Amino acid sequence: EVQLVESGGGLVQPGRSLKLSCAASGFTFSNYYMAWVRQAPKKGLEWVATISTSGSRTYYPDSVKGRFTISRDNAKSSLYLQMNSLKSEDTATYYCARFNIGTTTAYFDYWGQGVMVTVSS
Amino acid sequence: DIQMTQSPASLSASLEEIVTITCQASQDIGNWLAWYQQKPGKSPQLLIYGATSLADGVPSRFSGSRSGTQYSLKISRLQVEDIGIYYCQQASSAPYTFGAGTKLELK
Repeated sequence: EVQLVESGGGLVQPGRSLKLSCAASGFTFSNYYMAWVRQAPKKGLEWVATISTSGSRTYYPDSVKGRFTISRDNAKSSLYLQMNSLKSEDTATYYCARFNIGTTTAYFDYWGQGVMVTVSS
Repeated sequence: DIQMTQSPASLSASLEEIVTITCQASQDIGNWLAWYQQKPGKSPQLLIYGATSLADGVPSRFSGSRSGTQYSLKISRLQVEDIGIYYCQQASSAPYTFGAGTKLELK
């Protein structure tokens, strides 16, 4: 059974940093792209970052580029999101998701339970 | 960026009714389209990928279709457990954008 378990969320002041972790199990972690998706309170879903299988390629939307860094440790089957210079608009539930990429389509096929990040003074 | 315009924003339907939700992509995204269901207080779950393929374990009353840049999710006979918010999402090019969501309620 595929499991994704996020940790590391909490309350943080604007301008500070926070690092999220995601422990994966039930599949060969190193074979899959991985991603972070967030959801602000009562809002929709927003893609935050994607990382390739080896970690050599990363992708971000403009809203977090230069502030967030996605990384992975295939030996530990773990995914990370380093968030710097946090803003109030980064307040959201952050989901770790497996990003399944094929030749003609791609999708987030498994999601963690989510971890809440609140940016407030 | 590719915009995904999802409609309706909310929908009230009766049990056993046919429900259709649509997403219009701002440009050609081929079959790089997925649909997700999010039940209250839960994580999103994959329903449809590749515009028309049913994800593992998803009931056959769910189906996806495509006509050009318009994509549809159909629930053939609405059940109480189908209540929630539905999102479309394109993965044709980054940033991978989601529709704004459709809140499905029971009438």
